[in-house]
Amino acid sequence: DAKTTQPPSMDCAEGRAANLPCNHSTISGNEYVYWYRQIHSQGPQYIIHGLKNNETNEMASLIITEDRKSSTLILPHATLRDTAVYYCIVRGMYSGGGADGLTFGKGTHLIIQP
Amino acid sequence: DVKVTQSSRYLVKRTGEKVFLECVQDMDHENMFWYRQDPGLGLRLIYFSYDVKMKEKGDIPEGYSVSREKKERFSLILESASTNQTSMYLCASSLFGGLGYGYTFGSGTRLTVV
Repeated sequence: DAKTTQPPSMDCAEGRAANLPCNHSTISGNEYVYWYRQIHSQGPQYIIHGLKNNETNEMASLIITEDRKSSTLILPHATLRDTAVYYCIVRGMYSGGGADGLTFGKGTHLIIQP
Repeated sequence: DVKVTQSSRYLVKRTGEKVFLECVQDMDHENMFWYRQDPGLGLRLIYFSYDVKMKEKGDIPEGYSVSREKKERFSLILESASTNQTSMYLCASSLFGGLGYGYTFGSGTRLTVV
């Protein structure tokens, strides 16, 4: 799986858009970009994923650059409840049959300021 | 919603004790995982299972074993607990083999070994 680089922490004002960057310059053609977040004292929660097109769901938007070497997770109107550690994960399809687990890096600690 | 339930939120055990951490999921997922999470080290995969009675070592299996006798239940066993196994333990399940989305995590068990 490709390595990812994220800033260790970011601040964002409540009500503003939070833009979380992720670099994955060694990503290969069949690897997806996944985002999870972990709110304090809870397990990680899936947010969104994409291959090369931009994606949007009820939680967030994912913008992937044309060369796929970086991506940005966008929380359009951040609230205090969005304070969490956000993990960017790059991986391809596991070919061994069952799932082989996700590899989590250090992530970005996003702090939403009131 | 998929629920992944871990039997204990907090657990205190003595060095040398045999410890069982239980995890149950209610959505018929094939794949189940055990992670531990430590400050500065992030989430690390201990063991995973992609079918009943099947198990695979993750990145840090030493000192642990697992049991998957039924599809919905995945147990983590510390044969002889040691203080360096004090950690947050997270269980997860996923439906899709090989993909990186759809992982659902439990709320975690904070184990302290004294």
